Amino acid sequence: DAKTTQPPSMDCAEGRAANLPCNHSTISGNEYVYWYRQIHSQGPQYIIHGLKNNETNEMASLIITEDRKSSTLILPHATLRDTAVYYCIVRGPNSGYALNFGKGTSLLVTP
Amino acid sequence: NAGVTQTPKFQVLKTGQSMTLQCAQDMNHNSMYWYRQDPGMGLRLIYYSASEGTTDKGEVPNGYNVSRLNKREFSLRLESAAPSQTSVYFCATRTDNQPQHFGDGTRLSIL
Repeated sequence: DAKTTQPPSMDCAEGRAANLPCNHSTISGNEYVYWYRQIHSQGPQYIIHGLKNNETNEMASLIITEDRKSSTLILPHATLRDTAVYYCIVRGPNSGYALNFGKGTSLLVTP
Repeated sequence: NAGVTQTPKFQVLKTGQSMTLQCAQDMNHNSMYWYRQDPGMGLRLIYYSASEGTTDKGEVPNGYNVSRLNKREFSLRLESAAPSQTSVYFCATRTDNQPQHFGDGTRLSIL
């Protein structure tokens, strides 16, 4: 799997957009970018994933740069319940069975 | 629709005791996984089952055994618990090229 780099922590005011960056400069052409989050004391929760194009669902948007070496997860209107650790994971057909969570970004949404 | 259900949610054991952690899913997924998460760290794969009737070792299998009882259930057994196995254990499931879905975890303390 391609190595990912995320800032260890970020803050965001409630109601504002939270933009979480991820660098994956060694990503291969057939590897997807996945985002999960883990709210304290709960199991990881899938958020979104993409290959090349930008993606949007009811939870978030994923913006992948044209060279695919980095991406940004956007929570458009952050709430206090979005406080969590966010993990950017790169996976492809040859990635095996484990998800490599790394240390992620701890997002704190403040009132 | 419960998704992935883990039991028990909490357990305290004495060193040398045995116990089985249960995981059941109602999503008809083929693959099931057991991870452990230690404080401040990401998840590490213990064992996985790509399909009913098969199991394989992950990154940290020592001290554990698993059983894929049927398509729904995947259990994790500690034959002789050690303090180093104090952790939060997560079960996850997946089907063909889809994201993994996680249970809420079992918090296990071994004294």
